Amino acid sequence: EVHLVESGGGLVQPGGSLRLSCAASGFTFSNYWLTWVRQAPGKGLEWVANMNPGGSEIHYVDSVKGRFTISRDNAKNSLYLQMNSLRVDDTAVYYCARSGVEAAYDYWGQGTLVTVSS
Amino acid sequence: EIVLTQSPGTLSLSPGESATLSCRASQSVSRIQIAWYQHKVGQAPRLLIYGASSRATGIPDRFSGSGSVRGSGSGTEFTLTISRLEPEDSAVYYCQQYGSFFGTGTKVDIK
Repeated sequence: EVHLVESGGGLVQPGGSLRLSCAASGFTFSNYWLTWVRQAPGKGLEWVANMNPGGSEIHYVDSVKGRFTISRDNAKNSLYLQMNSLRVDDTAVYYCARSGVEAAYDYWGQGTLVTVSS
Repeated sequence: EIVLTQSPGTLSLSPGESATLSCRASQSVSRIQIAWYQHKVGQAPRLLIYGASSRATGIPDRFSGSGSVRGSGSGTEFTLTISRLEPEDSAVYYCQQYGSFFGTGTKVDIK
């Protein structure tokens, strides 16, 4: 059974950093694109970043370019999101998701809450 | 950047009725790149439809997707229909172009 479990969220001050992790199991991790999606309080879903299986192709939403870095360790079946220069509007629940059937996000984690506040 | 606008913003319906949710793209999108998700409060989003009209594993046939596309297989109007509504269908529904932006969302409230 496929499982994705996020961790690393918490409270951080504006300008601070956090590293999110997503531990995967139940599938061949190195075969799939992976994605970070977030939902700010009272807002809709927002795609944040994704990465191809080998890590050579990466895409970011404009609002996080230069501040966030997506990475993966296929040996550890783990996806990461390094978040620097955090802003109040980065406050959200962050989900990792797998791009499966025809690249739609077929499995999601339960999310980890990131709160940026002074 | 393709913008996906969903309408209506909110639907309030009764059990047994049908819901029609619209997703309009600001420019033509290949139908194979459109997905629909259901998101309930406190839960992970769930994939309902991929390729505009294919149901994901385990999704009941009450959920169906369609798209108004040209011969090229692209279009700007996509629809999610939920028939025979059940109380547990209360959620926010999002369309998405694969690997990219989500629509604005439609909240469905079943009472």
